[in-house]
Amino acid sequence: GAGVSQTPSNKVTEKGKYVELRCDPISGHTALYWYRQSLGQGPEFLIYFQGTGAADDSGLPNDRFFAVRPEGSVSTLKIQRTERGDSAMYLCASSPTSGMNTGELFFGEGSRLTVL
Amino acid sequence: GESVGLHLPTLSVQEGDNSIINCAYSNSASDYFIWYKQESGKGPQFIIDIRSNMDKRQGQRVTVLLNKTVKHLSLQIAATQPGDSAVYFCAEKGGSNDYKLSFGAGTTVTVRA
Repeated sequence: GAGVSQTPSNKVTEKGKYVELRCDPISGHTALYWYRQSLGQGPEFLIYFQGTGAADDSGLPNDRFFAVRPEGSVSTLKIQRTERGDSAMYLCASSPTSGMNTGELFFGEGSRLTVL
Repeated sequence: GESVGLHLPTLSVQEGDNSIINCAYSNSASDYFIWYKQESGKGPQFIIDIRSNMDKRQGQRVTVLLNKTVKHLSLQIAATQPGDSAVYFCAEKGGSNDYKLSFGAGTTVTVRA
């Protein structure tokens, strides 16, 4: 497809379980971002990739959260030992530019995570 | 911390009227701003952007105004339609050393028929 694709669209899990959320960015976009959005709030930055490397992971809330982008395209956000407070919409975005020339971010439809 | 987004959290507007959504930011180094629209259950969609060397930019039915003196951003929607009902977010990029967008809390726009 032409847009950013995120799977699964919905994930319900139990407290303590491990979760993976996948993002397939727009082809050719070198920059990839993960954001988390709680109900009624704006998206909050989690991590930014430029190519394969995490250029900024300062938004990850704790060491239970980790993300990879091994080949510079698809990215996976991994959450260990999930807690109820992790329930949110996880948004992925990609951009053809980065750094000083950062422009529009193209967002996917998100993965809704619910931790029971 | 959150630097973007002093706003009215909700806005109700009559169909056909113009809408104005406001946003304040605190980082004077921010050099790029975007307005996004988010419909229920969907990801944010780009509406219009503006760089800090401009004070006005127009798109189709939308205009963004940037006042750097008071660090204020606004989105004007002309002839508001029912399909404009959504949450609108302003976002900023904090200068040439930054590469991520920081979002405000959003304004919910409801269009009355």
